[in-house]
Amino acid sequence: EVQLVESGGDLVQPGGSLRLSCAASGFTFSEYWMGWVRQTPGKGLVWVSRISPDGGKTSHADSVRGRLTISRDNAKNTLFLQMKSLRAEDTAVYHCVRENWYGFDQWGQGILVSVAS
Amino acid sequence: QTVVTQEPSFSVSPGGTVTLTCGLRSGSVSSGHFPSWYQQTPGQAPRKLIYKTNIRSSGVPDRFSGSIFGNKAALTITGAQADDESDYFCMLSVGNDIFEFGGGTKLTVL
Repeated sequence: EVQLVESGGDLVQPGGSLRLSCAASGFTFSEYWMGWVRQTPGKGLVWVSRISPDGGKTSHADSVRGRLTISRDNAKNTLFLQMKSLRAEDTAVYHCVRENWYGFDQWGQGILVSVAS
Repeated sequence: QTVVTQEPSFSVSPGGTVTLTCGLRSGSVSSGHFPSWYQQTPGQAPRKLIYKTNIRSSGVPDRFSGSIFGNKAALTITGAQADDESDYFCMLSVGNDIFEFGGGTKLTVL
């Protein structure tokens, strides 16, 4: 069974940093593009970033570029999202996703990141 | 920033047919945008229904179908059921390895 389990969410002050992790299991992690999608409570989905299977290629949404950085460790089947210079508008549930044919076929349940003073 | 548009809400009668659309504020949607569709019920992670415009994900009932309808991507539900009442999101590949979701459509079945 495919599982994506996020961790690392927390309450952090504006300007602070956080690192999210996503532990993947049930599939060959190193063969898939992976990504992050966030959702503000009660609102819509926002694509955040994606990373190639070998980690050599990444892309990020304009709203997070330079502040949020995706990476992966294929030896540990883990996806990361390094977050810095956090803003109130980064408050959201962050989902780890597996990409397949330009769509996200597996989703983690999500982890809450709150940015507030 | 590209803006992907969806109807904020829609309603359909049980057994009826409804078509939800996914457009661009500027320009037309094509298969080259690789439209995908997701269903989300409260408290749950989204579920992929359709990818590459019209391919159903495994386990998705055939009452869900995807297409390009005019200058938009479309999700059609034929023979709507009560448990189809959900939020539906489309997503497009908008170039430069960037994806963008639409704002979502809240579908009511009544």
